[in-house]
Amino acid sequence: AQRVTQPEKLLSVFKGAPVELKCNYSYSGSPELFWYVQYSRQRLQLLLRHISRESIKGFTADLNKGETSFHLKKPFAQEEDSAMYYCALSMDTGRRALTFGSGTRLQVQP
Amino acid sequence: NAGVTQTPKFRILKIGQSMTLQCAQDMNHNYMYWYRQDPGMGLKLIYYSVGAGITDKGEVPNGYNVSRSTTEDFPLRLELAAPSQTSVYFCASGQTSGNTIYFGEGSWLTVV
Repeated sequence: AQRVTQPEKLLSVFKGAPVELKCNYSYSGSPELFWYVQYSRQRLQLLLRHISRESIKGFTADLNKGETSFHLKKPFAQEEDSAMYYCALSMDTGRRALTFGSGTRLQVQP
Repeated sequence: NAGVTQTPKFRILKIGQSMTLQCAQDMNHNYMYWYRQDPGMGLKLIYYSVGAGITDKGEVPNGYNVSRSTTEDFPLRLELAAPSQTSVYFCASGQTSGNTIYFGEGSWLTVV
């Protein structure tokens, strides 16, 4: 069965510091990977997806099939980046609903 | 643009009571989903639907039922509420599988 692991429940950094939110997955096929974000008092929303290979709000994520990872990175954290971040996987066959990790709370301190 | 609308936002149920969580989307999406999120855990799929008249079980369907009589609506029914069903429930919709899905604001349910 597919699985998404986010090893850190909380990541606290200072403003301007680099950020890396870790995500590892297990799935035997070719998954599609996503990062979703939930800001305070807002609904869960898509941040980025690996297939787009884009940078959103300064965040990037590269799919590493060898290490089965999809870590989220930003070179200089901003206070407004503070939020819950969820890594998610969509299978390439069968049921294609998203499988989510348990989430990492990012706190960016001034 | 309403997107995905869930009601109620908060509810307290007694053990054994029944209730329906409502979900509606106005984006003409075929795919709709119900997830639950327990404290400190990720979202777990309860049921999903790929179109009107078609529903299927997710990872944690026990104790729940769904129906999809229209494209817009996807209600989630709890028949005999149990304390283990205390959770935050999220409805979501998407145009096709694997593409971007859009979430509702969540429904906080407590069973006492």
